[in-house]
Amino acid sequence: QSVLTQPPSVSGAPGQRVTISCTGSSSNIGAGYDVHWYQQLPGTAPKLLIYGNSNRPSGVPDRFSGSKSGTSASLAITGLQAEDEADYYCQSYDSSLSAPWVFGGGTKLTVL
Amino acid sequence: EVQLVESGGGLIQPGGSLRLSCAASGFTVSSNYMSWVRQAPGKGLEWVSVIYSGGSTYYADSVKGRFTISRDNSKNTLYLQMNSLRAEDTAVYYCARDSARGVNWGQGTLVTVSS
Repeated sequence: QSVLTQPPSVSGAPGQRVTISCTGSSSNIGAGYDVHWYQQLPGTAPKLLIYGNSNRPSGVPDRFSGSKSGTSASLAITGLQAEDEADYYCQSYDSSLSAPWVFGGGTKLTVL
Repeated sequence: EVQLVESGGGLIQPGGSLRLSCAASGFTVSSNYMSWVRQAPGKGLEWVSVIYSGGSTYYADSVKGRFTISRDNSKNTLYLQMNSLRAEDTAVYYCARDSARGVNWGQGTLVTVSS
């Protein structure tokens, strides 16, 4: 059971917009900690998509955007493309010393 | 450019030991928060351990007492000593660097615990 909750799967047709939610609690996202988002293609390491809730590293298309409110965060992908099909993970921090990094369980995005 | 290169994974019998290494370039390991994260086959990401710039270390409950994180400042390298390995430790192990501009990840190294 992951500390952060994500939907197991989402899907959308090419060109559409999809969102992936990430719900935490008052000890992590709600405590003001940053949320990062990663894209993971099969057999590869996670790739940073969004850092600090809403910032894109250089090279990440502006079709990807992040937001945060209260104890939740969201990743939005507009203009869906076939190459966006991947697993997406959110990550934040927690005040618990036994788990200072916390992850969502991952969301599989299928492009129809 | 920030680079993290893990090594040391392999097939090991239950109860055995393994030491993973993560060679860093483009930044100083000792000045950063460095973590190990693992991913079991077909599963999600699981944080394993962290070493802070001040030297404090913390572990997930699942590995506490069995794994030890450390760093060699002269080699700019992060380590994970894994003892008393169990089948459930089978995973790809990633080292990761936490920074103000997000997290950098290595390519991972596979550890398989099996007889």
